[in-house]
Amino acid sequence: SQQGEEDPQALSIQEGENATMNCSYKTSINNLQWYRQNSGRGLVHLILIRSNEREKHSGRLRVTLDTSKKSSSLLITASRAADTASYFCATDEAAGNKLTFGGGTRVLVKP
Amino acid sequence: GAVVSQHPSWVICKSGTSVKIECRSLDFQATTMFWYRQFPKQSLMLMATSNEGSKATYEQGVEKDKFLINHASLTLSTLTVTSAHPEDSSFYICSASNRASGGLNEQFFGPGTRLTVL
Repeated sequence: SQQGEEDPQALSIQEGENATMNCSYKTSINNLQWYRQNSGRGLVHLILIRSNEREKHSGRLRVTLDTSKKSSSLLITASRAADTASYFCATDEAAGNKLTFGGGTRVLVKP
Repeated sequence: GAVVSQHPSWVICKSGTSVKIECRSLDFQATTMFWYRQFPKQSLMLMATSNEGSKATYEQGVEKDKFLINHASLTLSTLTVTSAHPEDSSFYICSASNRASGGLNEQFFGPGTRLTVL
């Protein structure tokens, strides 16, 4: 079953704008990961944030994690047309050895 | 590093035939491999988890006799869709993990296999 819920389901922005998407989950986690998927392709790992971390940066990506609210956000700054893709959060649950994916956010960056 | 390949990248088959998909970790030993399926515009759904040398653990609702998984070595896992039907048409993605990497469940994903059953 899907643990993560992502919103929005779809996002359309202009190049240069920021894109923010959110992920909520239900159980205790070891870490939360964000992935990108271009249409018809495999997943690319973007960033992993551990349960004891609150914020992490990687290039134009900024991820926050609030374990009290069981939520995470992914911010893409100064978006580019090449950022057009679907973005998924995935939780590594404290009990178990598997990732559970959210529903994904489809991002369209218009040039 | 941490490259995972899948073969074939796409396959079209007739209803009733079986299809085998391979997943290989090219530059690391994968203690665990995972198989997902993804329908259009939907998220990834975990089908099963396989550990090298042992039987796969299937998620609820996934028929183990229909989706045969073999993880015979630390670099290769195969998924065989037996007696495929049109409803099995989907994008199948594998991932590989090596828990030795600091205990993190960081999975490296293959490029996926598009299965179309006519």
